[in-house]
Amino acid sequence: DAKTTQPNSMESNEEEPVHLPCNHSTISGTDYIHWYRQLPSQGPEYVIHGLTSNVNNRMASLAIAEDRKSSTLILHRATLRDAAVYYCILRAQGGSNYKLTFGKGTLLTVNP
Amino acid sequence: GAVVSQHPSWVICKSGTSVKIECRSLDFQATTMFWYRQFPKQSLMLMATSNEGSKATYEQGVEKDKFLINHASLTLSTLTVTSAHPEDSSFYICSARTHTSTDTQYFGPGTRLTVL
Repeated sequence: DAKTTQPNSMESNEEEPVHLPCNHSTISGTDYIHWYRQLPSQGPEYVIHGLTSNVNNRMASLAIAEDRKSSTLILHRATLRDAAVYYCILRAQGGSNYKLTFGKGTLLTVNP
Repeated sequence: GAVVSQHPSWVICKSGTSVKIECRSLDFQATTMFWYRQFPKQSLMLMATSNEGSKATYEQGVEKDKFLINHASLTLSTLTVTSAHPEDSSFYICSARTHTSTDTQYFGPGTRLTVL
């Protein structure tokens, strides 16, 4: 699986935007970029995913670089409930491999 | 989003006993479910991929005779930790794959296993 690189931790203030970066320089043409987050003592939660174009949903936005070697998850207004570990994962679409390989992710701390 | 439940949410057992953990997709059918294990302050590690009606596929280093997986229906997969030992104490999490256009995985809330 192509590897992703994320900062170990980031801090944000409540009600401010948060930009969580992810580098994936070895991404292949069929790899989708998935983001999940895990709150303490809970299972991961799907956040968003995309291929080439920027994506928006009710939780977040995903900005994908033109060369697809990096992406940024954007939380428009951080709340205390957004404090979690955020995982950026590449997964090839199609075929029979649907596995998700979790890295260490980014621990986001939100200050009140 | 799709809902996945796990039961029990936590369990404490004596060393040498077996523990069964259930994973259910509540509002969708899941032909593929996954089982993960997470030790404190570590990331999730995939243990096995469970396909309905067939044998599970285990990741390298995971003992299939110790971690028995059964996926008897499109909404239920079970993980049985046999002859549990203290080193098996961990957070076990399942996920289920949807067949929608997003083709995402939805995760259960996890089961905390403590082996005394």
